Amino acid sequence: DADVTQTPRNRITKTGKRIMLECSQTKGHDRMYWYRQDPGLGLRLIYYSFDVKDINKGEISDGYSVSRQAQAKFSLSLESAIPNQTALYFCATSDFSGGLYNEQFFGPGTRLTVL
Amino acid sequence: SQKIEQNSEALNIQEGKTATLTCNYTNYSPAYLQWYRQDPGRGPVFLLLIRENEKEKRKERLKVTFDTTLKQSLFHITASQPADSATYLCAGTYGNKLVFGAGTILRVKS
Repeated sequence: DADVTQTPRNRITKTGKRIMLECSQTKGHDRMYWYRQDPGLGLRLIYYSFDVKDINKGEISDGYSVSRQAQAKFSLSLESAIPNQTALYFCATSDFSGGLYNEQFFGPGTRLTVL
Repeated sequence: SQKIEQNSEALNIQEGKTATLTCNYTNYSPAYLQWYRQDPGRGPVFLLLIRENEKEKRKERLKVTFDTTLKQSLFHITASQPADSATYLCAGTYGNKLVFGAGTILRVKS
């Protein structure tokens, strides 16, 4: 079984709809991240969480919200989707035990299309 | 803000040759530079990291260098194979966050 899973893998939605992307991990890591990837722009950090009670905004948090329901679960919501949120979304985890070295483990991604 | 820049043009090389990919950063040096491999339709996979005070790191056919004077990291794959074809991402560790470059596509032809 995959260590980091994301659901759904693909989603097509309409402008103005609320949508939630879910991430689960079995690695036992405390740290979880949400990124979006756009062609030519690389991965950009949306939100990150270092434990259940800790949520932090990343580089591009406007239009997004997150919930850390448990150590293993971190969900990303688009309250009112817009076409420029069409992108590939990745969840990632990392373990602090290595200090600041911060190797991240990624899920398979969710391809979101907003029409 | 910190930026990580990678060559946007694809690198095409012949099987057996050494592939060299470049990663440049602006402003402050990251504490670590990491390299990831990404295949189409998949999430990035960690390959190697190098600390700011290290000059070179090796792992099997992979070698990475870190030059703080040039503000650059080079990633080498020796004896390249068609299976090495993928997008390679460079990422700098700044505090508790990774800042990613856009990636370079590598194509190895047999």
